Amino acid sequence: EPEVTQTPSHQVTQMGQEVILRCVPISNHLYFYWYRQILGQKVEFLVSFYNNEISEKSEIFDDQFSVERPDGSNFTLKIRSTKLEDSAMYFCASSSSENYGYTFGSGTRLTVV
Amino acid sequence: AQSVTQLGSHVSVSEGALVLLRCNYSSSVPPYLFWYVQYPNQGLQLLLKYTSAATLVKGINGFEAEFKKSETSFHLTKPSAHMSDAAEYFCAVTEGTGGFKTIFGAGTRLFVKA
Repeated sequence: EPEVTQTPSHQVTQMGQEVILRCVPISNHLYFYWYRQILGQKVEFLVSFYNNEISEKSEIFDDQFSVERPDGSNFTLKIRSTKLEDSAMYFCASSSSENYGYTFGSGTRLTVV
Repeated sequence: AQSVTQLGSHVSVSEGALVLLRCNYSSSVPPYLFWYVQYPNQGLQLLLKYTSAATLVKGINGFEAEFKKSETSFHLTKPSAHMSDAAEYFCAVTEGTGGFKTIFGAGTRLFVKA
């Protein structure tokens, strides 16, 4: 069964450093998403991406965040200058239709120290 | 704007007992509704989805959910719990038009006692 692949599975970074989280969505999917889950809390929407542009973003997704689909297979989330409160599990998801349900990756656990 | 409320952050059942996880939604347009399951240290897996066809939806692992518009509910049930059902369950809603954002409920952790 097709999978969404996320790398790395764990990342530890120093506060103020830039991080890039990588995702390979399912190849024939057209819609891409990033969510995050702070430990013990709810799954929060960050951003959706379709047709090579951001479709929608949340209040969390401020100027420190950016997304890119650089080569038609990868989908990346960049955090420019990490803060302690960015520590969370970040999930990438993709779907073939915006209302069809998502396939999620296994997540990247980001720890900012 | 859409929202989801899951009643009960923790539910405990005995093995073989009925599982009932409650979800109520709010949406300004006809919604698309989903249940996802998350096992420890894993991503979310789609259990089932309601997309305006049949109101009773069957999913994987013996789970089903019924869409009740009058009650704005989409409760998840399973007739007989297995130990392997122990996980966190998330109800989610996408608005029916331009649904580029799915909103998740806070989750319900299901415990299954032997």
